[in-house]
Amino acid sequence: DIQMTQSPSTLSASVGDRVTITCRASQSISSWLAWYQQKPGKAPKLLIYKASSLESGVPSRFSGSGSGTEFTLTISSLQPDDFATYYCQQYNSLWTFGQGTKVEIK
Amino acid sequence: EVQLVESGGGLIQPGGSLRLSCAASGFTVSSNYMSWVRQAPGKGLEWVSVIYSGGSTYYADSVKGRFTISRDNSKNTLYLQMNSLRAEDTAVYYCARGGSSSGTADYWGQGTLVTVSS
Repeated sequence: DIQMTQSPSTLSASVGDRVTITCRASQSISSWLAWYQQKPGKAPKLLIYKASSLESGVPSRFSGSGSGTEFTLTISSLQPDDFATYYCQQYNSLWTFGQGTKVEIK
Repeated sequence: EVQLVESGGGLIQPGGSLRLSCAASGFTVSSNYMSWVRQAPGKGLEWVSVIYSGGSTYYADSVKGRFTISRDNSKNTLYLQMNSLRAEDTAVYYCARGGSSSGTADYWGQGTLVTVSS
């Protein structure tokens, strides 16, 4: 089974900050990596797929990069609506999610 | 407009059974792959099961032999039959569509809560 490890688990930031979240796969997953945003009581929302492709309707301040085993999600300028929990997910072999990164207000 | 609406959750005793439904609209369930994902209270996302358009099914080790995923093409509905339920199965269960462009979950239902407790 492929394991996904996200860091950090919690991130404190201010509006306007540049934020980076890292996700590491236990084996190569090529570019089969997605990022989701989840707010309390809501279903996850797809932000990025195939490591760097922006889902339709997602603001351009979100970007993804990486391939193989190392991936990052970057929010270029954090907005009030961005305080949430973010999950990476591999879909190279079935699905595995990272443990999540909670982005909190500093 | 694509919509997924789950139902069937509730309080069930350990060892009991429950069937979750996910009614789809705006697309054809049998033309996409469909998955169930769960989230225990205060925890992260855990993939549970998938059914591909060709009918192949796969399960997480934690539910293998106890859960069965299926679909009814005439009703455009996805199901998850859950047997021998345990306290650790307590979670919000989401159904999700595998998108043809993204290759992964592009639409999710609102979730249905399953609580396994005596």
